Amino acid sequence: NAGVTQTPKFQVLKTGQSMTLQCAQDMNHEYMSWYRQDPGMGLRLIHYSVGAGITDQGEVPNGYNVSRSTTEDFPLRLLSAAPSQTSVYFCASSSTFRQGDRAYDEQYFGPGTRLTVT
Amino acid sequence: RKEVEQDPGPFNVPEGATVAFNCTYSNSASQSFFWYRQDCRKEPKLLMSVYSSGNEDGRFTAQLNRASQYISLLIRDSKLSDSATYLCVVKRAARQLTFGSGTQLTVLP
Repeated sequence: NAGVTQTPKFQVLKTGQSMTLQCAQDMNHEYMSWYRQDPGMGLRLIHYSVGAGITDQGEVPNGYNVSRSTTEDFPLRLLSAAPSQTSVYFCASSSTFRQGDRAYDEQYFGPGTRLTVT
Repeated sequence: RKEVEQDPGPFNVPEGATVAFNCTYSNSASQSFFWYRQDCRKEPKLLMSVYSSGNEDGRFTAQLNRASQYISLLIRDSKLSDSATYLCVVKRAARQLTFGSGTQLTVLP
């Protein structure tokens, strides 16, 4: 299994440009999400999806769109890039299973996309 | 006030030392708790879940106090390879995770 893959690894955009960050997972996980990580801020949830055809907003959704047409793919679109969107973007997927009286829910993260908007 | 707060550090400790990290969370409806580890310029990876009864995984011990809304991580016999940022993570519902900003640990030879 490749796990969670993200492309590109690095990207530089000019203000106003649009682009799509790609995310794919091969673990058949129903839950996928996008985070951004900024210095001193921790990871913040942008959008998430609980299954194909279902998406919802997280904590910081403005300026981003997502879609989930398949279980495997969850692309993040920047509509009109702004310098405030300079960040590291992580995609994650997860599934929950129970063992005895405990529930296990581990999120697997992709390697990240480092985006700079000038 | 941030929903999950951690001391950012940095913590610089010698090899073999015991180090403890603390974390507080503000939402009493939080359901699950985790510690993630993040190496420099890498993605976060799950270190361990935190259960109400406390749990241990080798040199790592995690504790949860729901009444005080407090989570801790204890690392015994620190190794150089433990150097990383440790993220306190809280889950409310619908698998939405809220991350603390992380505590940076450097283990010195």
